[in-house]
Amino acid sequence: SQQGEEDPQALSIQEGENATMNCSYKTSINNLQWYRQNSGRGLVHLILIRSNEREKHSGRLRVTLDTSKKSSSLLITASRAADTASYFCVPASGGSYIPTFGRGTSLIVHP
Amino acid sequence: DTAVSQTPKYLVTQMGNDKSIKCEQNLGHDTMYWYKQDSKKFLKIMFSYNNKELIINETVPNRFSPKSPDKAHLNLHINSLELGDSAVYFCASSQDPGTQYFGPGTRLLVL
Repeated sequence: SQQGEEDPQALSIQEGENATMNCSYKTSINNLQWYRQNSGRGLVHLILIRSNEREKHSGRLRVTLDTSKKSSSLLITASRAADTASYFCVPASGGSYIPTFGRGTSLIVHP
Repeated sequence: DTAVSQTPKYLVTQMGNDKSIKCEQNLGHDTMYWYKQDSKKFLKIMFSYNNKELIINETVPNRFSPKSPDKAHLNLHINSLELGDSAVYFCASSQDPGTQYFGPGTRLLVL
């Protein structure tokens, strides 16, 4: 199984700005998932993008996937203080899949 | 209705004690997981059960023993607790392989 590597490790923005975080992985995937973890809470699934999809939207979230570059990005538009959290990407390959989390991107949105 | 629940939420105990953490999911999922998140927020998978059978067993001391009485429950028993076991333990479930739903976490502090 493989682990996604999120970049940047930390991101600090003002409320209303957009936040972009990136994820890179090493081998081919079936899908890639993004999760959010607010401080002291469990992880929440945000969005899943399949390997044959290039872009997916969910509310203020936009995820892109470039399988040729083995990378994905998560864009949060019009950020809010409540978006302050750590964000993780989880690439999923076929076969014996072991979900593996990286260190995440820590996003702080200042009110 | 809580999808994935864990008890207890907090657990403070002495070194050398034996303790259990319980997890239940009401989503009808076949697969359940235990993760450990250390002080650096690194989330690491420990075990996974599919339909009451162990399918993932990462490098974890054998003081940790998962037990799945039925596919809706996955409990974690820890013998002879050590200081290094202090962490947040998360249970999750999924319809494997797929989106994982996490519990709120159990904060374990070993004194």
